[in-house]
Amino acid sequence: DGGITQSPKYLFRKEGQNVTLSCEQNLNHDAMYWYRQDPGQGLRLIYYSQIVNDFQKGDIAEGYSVSREKKESFPLTVTSAQKNPTAFYLCASSPWDRGNTIYFGEGSWLTVV
Amino acid sequence: GQQVMQIPQYQHVQEGEDFTTYCNSSTTLSNIQWYKQRPGGHPVFLIQLVKSGEVKKQKRLTFQFGEAKKNSSLHITATQTTDVGTYFCAGRGSQGNLIFGKGTKLSVKP
Repeated sequence: DGGITQSPKYLFRKEGQNVTLSCEQNLNHDAMYWYRQDPGQGLRLIYYSQIVNDFQKGDIAEGYSVSREKKESFPLTVTSAQKNPTAFYLCASSPWDRGNTIYFGEGSWLTVV
Repeated sequence: GQQVMQIPQYQHVQEGEDFTTYCNSSTTLSNIQWYKQRPGGHPVFLIQLVKSGEVKKQKRLTFQFGEAKKNSSLHITATQTTDVGTYFCAGRGSQGNLIFGKGTKLSVKP
């Protein structure tokens, strides 16, 4: 099936540890995104990438890092510098950055313990 | 920066009642999209509006884009329990970026 696959679905992290969330898409989309969702805060853009080997910071990039070595993959690393990382993380993709709808993965729940 | 304000934050209705959520932007939007997120799920695209004053319908859902392209609304007629979820608008600004509203969480009492 075509779509966006995020893993893991649930992740627990100890304070001070980095963690990487995986996002793979087989839709042949050029643009990929990472959003963070907190209760009552809607969706906030962390990073986005329009082409391979290029990415831009979104509204809340501090404490996060990404890479885009392949068109299909856009992993997100939540570093220990992120002060409040417990949240629901959504990966998304679209055919190109402007004027197109965004397709979301099923999300990853990250909890810091 | 550009913001898209969405109201109300929560709405509780009796099944069969109508529901409306509103989005407002301080700047002109090139288009606006609507998404629905079911409880425990991920946002799913519903529709995109592009033209000034555009109105689109999907069964019981009616979407409007304001004449000035700064506001939009989603109206659901005769809500059903399957309508439960959070509805997000997302406006595309002049820079091409997509700006999400904070969403309206709809609950429907049978």
